[in-house]
Order: sequence, then C-alpha cells, then structure tokens
Amino acid sequence: QQQVKQSPQSLIVQKGGISIINCAYENTAFDYFPWYQQFPGKGPALLIAIRPDVSEKKEGRFTISFNKSAKQFSLHIMDSQPGDSATYFCAASGGLNRDDKIIFGKGTRLHILP
Amino acid sequence: DSGVTQTPKHLITATGQRVTLRCSPRSGDLSVYWYQQSLDQGLQFLIQYYNGEERAKGNILERFSAQQFPDLHSELNLSSLELGDSALYFCASSVTSGSDEQYFGPGTRLTVT
Repeated sequence: QQQVKQSPQSLIVQKGGISIINCAYENTAFDYFPWYQQFPGKGPALLIAIRPDVSEKKEGRFTISFNKSAKQFSLHIMDSQPGDSATYFCAASGGLNRDDKIIFGKGTRLHILP
Repeated sequence: DSGVTQTPKHLITATGQRVTLRCSPRSGDLSVYWYQQSLDQGLQFLIQYYNGEERAKGNILERFSAQQFPDLHSELNLSSLELGDSALYFCASSVTSGSDEQYFGPGTRLTVT
C-alpha cells in the first residue's frame, strides 16, 4: 500500500509547548522519511528527514522519532513559537520500484498561540 | 528562496483551454518533479524527469503531459482543462534521482473558470 497517514489534521499549541505530529506508513520498502513545512502562499520547504537506520534525529528544536517495527514516525517541535505556525507534511519515498515517487501525508495545520 | 523558479505565479483560464507551466530547477539539479496541491487531495505527485528522461509517473491525468529540456528546465502542459484542475502546481528539484532532498518552487496557482 502506498499511503502515508498523518494525524492530527489540525493542532493548537501554546507558545513554549511541544507540538507532536504523527505519521504511519505501510510500505516497508520506504527508506526516506522527510518532513516539510509550508507557509501560506509558499512552496513546501524541507524541514528535517530521517532514514530507517536511526531511531531519532534532532535538528535544533525539531526532532523526528522513528519506529521501524510499528511503521510510524513523528515530528516533535520543542518550545513551539508563533513563527512555527504553518502546515506540516510528512512523506515517505524509496518504494520497491526505486522510482523515487514520494508519498505525502494530508498535512497538519499547526497554530501556536502567542 | 529554494532556487527553484516557476512561472507564471497565477493563471486564470477557461474550461477546455490548454496552459503551460514552466519550472527552472536549482543550479546543478538534474531531477524535476511536478506536484498538484488541492484542498481536498493534499500534495499529489504527478511526474518526475531526470536529465531529460521521464523517470516516474504518479497520478497524472492523460490530459496532462510534461517534458524536460536539454537545459533542464521543465514544462507541464495541461489541456482540455476542467474546473477540478484548479489547484496549486508545484515543481521541485533534486540533485539526483535517488531518495534525497527535494527543493520546491513557489508554485503556480491555476484557476479554471
């Protein structure tokens, strides 16, 4: 199955709190899991990505946690700031055909309250 | 700024018409991807080109076609347009055809009336 399920659809977090977005995939051949951030009127921008050989990757306030056995990965935004308010997409690629098709989740609208 | 450019920014056209969207990848990137983003469908992969050749196909309609030219810029052609084709169309580029970072352009907003 070539689906990536993302939740929640929308999320409201207080400034300084932790924002958590979850994704689940089905195709065990996926080997690249990026997260994209999109502001209104802009194209998605790569935020952070992980490959399945590690369980966690941290870049500044952003952390990806990866659970290969559960086929799940999540984005944690620590000390969330109003400037983090955006839509976040998880994605997966590298399927069996190595055709580099990237499958996106439906997105999460994150709003950080000032 | 990702380094990927797309023209035009906005396009308004009527049903049944044909339009061409243009994308210039980042300098040095050989791979170009096209995506459609609509409110109800999210980001949908359409097609990928690598160094002038079609590499992968996603949910691209037969009315749509694309090509990548020797200078690596790409064009997405949409014909017999329908109201449902109204969406944001993004181009992205990457260095190789492998599973690596894709850099998205600012998009073209297409409105079909």
